[in-house]
Amino acid sequence: SAVISQKPSRDICQRGTSLTIQCQVDSQVTMMFWYRQQPGQSLTLIATANQGSEATYESGFVIDKFPISRPNLTFSTLTVSNMSPEDSSIYLCSVSLGAGELFFGEGSRLTVL
Amino acid sequence: ILNVEQSPQSLHVQEGDSTNFTCSFPSSNFYALHWYRWETAKSPEALFVMTLNGDEKKKGRISATLNTKEGYSYLYIKGSQPEDSATYLCARPRRGATNKLIFGTGTLLAVQP
Repeated sequence: SAVISQKPSRDICQRGTSLTIQCQVDSQVTMMFWYRQQPGQSLTLIATANQGSEATYESGFVIDKFPISRPNLTFSTLTVSNMSPEDSSIYLCSVSLGAGELFFGEGSRLTVL
Repeated sequence: ILNVEQSPQSLHVQEGDSTNFTCSFPSSNFYALHWYRWETAKSPEALFVMTLNGDEKKKGRISATLNTKEGYSYLYIKGSQPEDSATYLCARPRRGATNKLIFGTGTLLAVQP
């Protein structure tokens, strides 16, 4: 298994500002994944954070809006840039250890006013 | 069915009741079906990863079945307890990317003492 720490756990932000979410894993992993859940919607993959290369973004998500860093095999950050109320979501970091199942952090609940 | 669909959206039961809910998914090119439990303010936790048609898996009072030919899985909870209150998510891997999951919107279970 993997233990994943995320921070902040929650935040309230003003429109137009940016917020960086941090994710720390207790073991080295090749890929880390960033998901979000908007109210009433399903958990949706934003991007895959790859160590040593650019993040891979899913359809509908772009680097300018969600820049990602992956400085080493245990840490990643996701920034939500120029926030609007539509960005109010729970953002989750996750990893896969090869058996298929994902391990998740506790999430960062973001409210944009 | 193009994606993952779950029903019902929410469920309220009394302590001691047994309950079940459904996950439907595309039956073509099946690879695996995941079930997760997500309690409020905690990390989503993997319950089962199911791969074989006819599979039945059990974890305590929770069990799941899988029918890959017709594209559905059932999750059963026997003798529900208040601590079973959570959102239950199912997910299937994306084609060609087994560690990237497509989630349903979940079933929110509330167990009243």
